[in-house]
Amino acid sequence: DTGVSQNPRHKITKRGQNVTFRCDPISEHNRLYWYRQTLGQGPEFLTYFQNEAQLEKSRLLSDRFSAERPKGSFSTLEIQRTEQGDSAMYLCASSLPTSGSYEQYFGPGTRLTVT
Amino acid sequence: KQEVTQIPAALSVPEGENLVLNCSFTDSAIYNLQWFRQDPGKGLTSLLLIQSSQREQTSGRLNASLDKSSGRSTLYIAASQPGDSATYLCAASKSVFTGNQFYFGTGTSLTVIP
Repeated sequence: DTGVSQNPRHKITKRGQNVTFRCDPISEHNRLYWYRQTLGQGPEFLTYFQNEAQLEKSRLLSDRFSAERPKGSFSTLEIQRTEQGDSAMYLCASSLPTSGSYEQYFGPGTRLTVT
Repeated sequence: KQEVTQIPAALSVPEGENLVLNCSFTDSAIYNLQWFRQDPGKGLTSLLLIQSSQREQTSGRLNASLDKSSGRSTLYIAASQPGDSATYLCAASKSVFTGNQFYFGTGTSLTVIP
């Protein structure tokens, strides 16, 4: 078990371009979360999946954002028509409700810079 | 909406000192509370998780306590070391039945001076 992985680690894009990030959770973890963190702030919840079902989305997730988890394993987060305000660290976390703890394990993040 | 506050925002201590980081939350109906460490430009490393039915958790030099009724948690670090320098984040979760998403504070930036 190598932990949660995210790719790419860094992405620089021009305003108006589309970008896609990938998250591979810890195997057998059925819950997967996406958060966004801007400089000097704590992470903010974007959306979460239980298996392949997207069960909750934050109002922060505008219609330019879409997330998928097609087979209940890895997940992708796509941002269309990027804006400078989208520049942030995008964090993925996974959890497995063993013993009821729901402890979340985070990946290293993808840092997005929109120029 | 759950609001999480961390005080102080920054803390600088000499090596070897014991210290306490504070976290407060507005909605006491949390499922659990988790403390994380974040190094500059990196992801989050889980330190301790306290379930709502628990009062404290310990791991090595770290001890975290939870008082739901007062909406507070503390992280105690004993015998601080320069390697402890990082930002410490606390996060309180909603009910597991609504996803257990975390609400994070803005963190305490800790510097341990050799």
